[in-house]
Amino acid sequence: EVQLLESGGGLVQPGGSLRLSCAASGFTFSSYAMSWVRQAPGKGLEWVSGISGTGGSTYFEDSVKGRFTVSRDNSKNTLYLQMNSLRAEDTAVYYCAKDLGESSSWTLDYWGQGTLVTVSS
Amino acid sequence: SSELTQDPAVSVALGQTVRITCQGDSLRSYYATWYQQRPGQAPVLVIYGKNNRPSGIPDRFSGSSSGNTASLTITGAQAEDEADYYCISRDSSAKGVFGTGTKVTVL
Repeated sequence: EVQLLESGGGLVQPGGSLRLSCAASGFTFSSYAMSWVRQAPGKGLEWVSGISGTGGSTYFEDSVKGRFTVSRDNSKNTLYLQMNSLRAEDTAVYYCAKDLGESSSWTLDYWGQGTLVTVSS
Repeated sequence: SSELTQDPAVSVALGQTVRITCQGDSLRSYYATWYQQRPGQAPVLVIYGKNNRPSGIPDRFSGSSSGNTASLTITGAQAEDEADYYCISRDSSAKGVFGTGTKVTVL
């Protein structure tokens, strides 16, 4: 059974940093691209970042480019999102999701339950 | 433009058919993928590619595309189909872009 478990969310002050983790199980992690998707309270979905199965290709939404980095440790079956220079508008539930293939296609067939990030003073 | 526009809300009578549309320039080149999100839950993949359903998704869900518009059709809507629906496609720089979302109410 595929499982994705996010962790690392919480309350952080504007300008602060946070690292989210997503522990994956139930599939060959290195064979699939992964994505981070967020949802601000009461708002729609927003794709944030994607990474290929090998980690060799990464993609970012414009508003987080230069502030967020995505990485993966295929030996630990874990996906990461390092978030720096956080802003109030980054407040959201952050989901990690598995792609159908090795390259990012935004066809995300499994999702975690999300972790809440709140940026506030 | 990389934006994907959806109607904010649609309603459908129980057992009837509803079509949810997603408009954007990128859809002339790339297929849309569709997700269902019930309140308080993570999104669920319902349609991808030309018209593919993941295992477990009822065949009352179907997808189509024409020009700059992608559509998700629910034929014979059920009470459990009441949810928010989002399309996503890629833009010209290989980034994902979600649609604005459509709230479907089953009457």
